[in-house]
Amino acid sequence: DAGVIQSPRHEVTEMGQEVTLRCKPISGHNSLFWYRQTMMRGLELLIYFNNNVPIDDSGMPEDRFSAKMPNASFSTLKIQPSEPRDSAVYFCASSLDGRGANQPQHFGDGTRLSIL
Amino acid sequence: DAKTTQPNSMESNEEEPVHLPCNHSTISGTDYIHWYRQLPSQGPEYVIHGLTSNVNNRMASLAIAEDRKSSTLILHRATLRDAAVYYCIPLVLGAQKLVFGQGTRLTINP
Repeated sequence: DAGVIQSPRHEVTEMGQEVTLRCKPISGHNSLFWYRQTMMRGLELLIYFNNNVPIDDSGMPEDRFSAKMPNASFSTLKIQPSEPRDSAVYFCASSLDGRGANQPQHFGDGTRLSIL
Repeated sequence: DAKTTQPNSMESNEEEPVHLPCNHSTISGTDYIHWYRQLPSQGPEYVIHGLTSNVNNRMASLAIAEDRKSSTLILHRATLRDAAVYYCIPLVLGAQKLVFGQGTRLTINP
């Protein structure tokens, strides 16, 4: 079975450019999560969706970051304009709806983003 | 969120058991203990979770103290592939926000 698929795996771009990260969750999963990992701050939850609806975006750093989930099989995380401090590894994860139970989250291999 | 304390690093030998401790003295009565691990250059991977009694699965065992203020993840026979950062995460039943601490970096010697 295919796991969580993220693209691109690596992205290098110049400061000020728009960056779009993509995620395809595991089929049948209805919860989707975006995380960011840096050496300084570790792994942080940015936002998560249940049934394509954003539930908690309190981890989104600022207005430059936006996330969408237009359907059950696709999500994007967009940074516009990008800044060097956005350089990090961004992970997408999916799970069955965790409400009422503790469902494991399945992570993709991440997108390594470098902003020059 | 309950605060957790894990050793920064541990080292063990291949084919030996490994006991990874986690202190969570502020845990609430409804927090499950979850363990995830992150292999190099990969996303985190779910390992196991439990509430009060000990739990076993194909990857590991989880021993939870009677007062629930600590737990231990047990890898029965470590392999080189078990080298990873291991995270202990308390989580209320039904909650979905995983809060990752610094974890324990486990090194396995051949």
